[in-house]
Amino acid sequence: GQNIDQPTEMTATEGAIVQINCTYQTSGFNGLFWYQQHAGEAPTFLSYNVLDGLEEKGRFSSFLSRSKGYSYLLLKELQMKDSASYLCAVRGIYSGAGSYQLTFGKGTKLSVIP
Amino acid sequence: DTGVSQDPRHKITKRGQNVTFRCDPISEHNRLYWYRQTLGQGPEFLTYFQNEAQLEKSRLLSDRFSAERPKGSFSTLEIQRTEQGDSAMYLCARGDNEQFFGPGTRLTVL
Repeated sequence: GQNIDQPTEMTATEGAIVQINCTYQTSGFNGLFWYQQHAGEAPTFLSYNVLDGLEEKGRFSSFLSRSKGYSYLLLKELQMKDSASYLCAVRGIYSGAGSYQLTFGKGTKLSVIP
Repeated sequence: DTGVSQDPRHKITKRGQNVTFRCDPISEHNRLYWYRQTLGQGPEFLTYFQNEAQLEKSRLLSDRFSAERPKGSFSTLEIQRTEQGDSAMYLCARGDNEQFFGPGTRLTVL
């Protein structure tokens, strides 16, 4: 089975940096994903890590440590529009049926305040 | 634009009725997924298509649920005899390494 943990809520100030952590325990691992989801909308893809280390994409960076079952999403220069839920998702071992299904955590609701 | 459209965006129905949702990837793509998301939870995998073949189904997909992808392009998800517990956002996604989600269909069962 798969178990993914992330904090339920976080609050940060506009212009600051925030780190959202995700820990996972899975029967297999073939990639970790971060998605952003605004209230009432569908998730939008942010980042993908399959190897250890940091992936940087503009104001957003994502880090992975496979040995620790740990990832974080780093958001810099926070803007009010970054207020959203951030979902951590793991892709397990290729099922043989061709599925790359994702298992999601419950999401971290980030509130950016002035 | 994620290249996935879904219809309808919202559906309100009475318990016991049947509903059908449609997913259209803008460009045909081998892999298509259905997920369900309830309030305060992340999306949960329901089923997966590679072209027209339904290759994987979650245990969440009870006998009342059926999905098709007849020509390997658009897909439909039908729920028969809806129950209040079926109220959720139903999401369709396309992709390989990166999955891109459509806007979802929000179902409310009264």
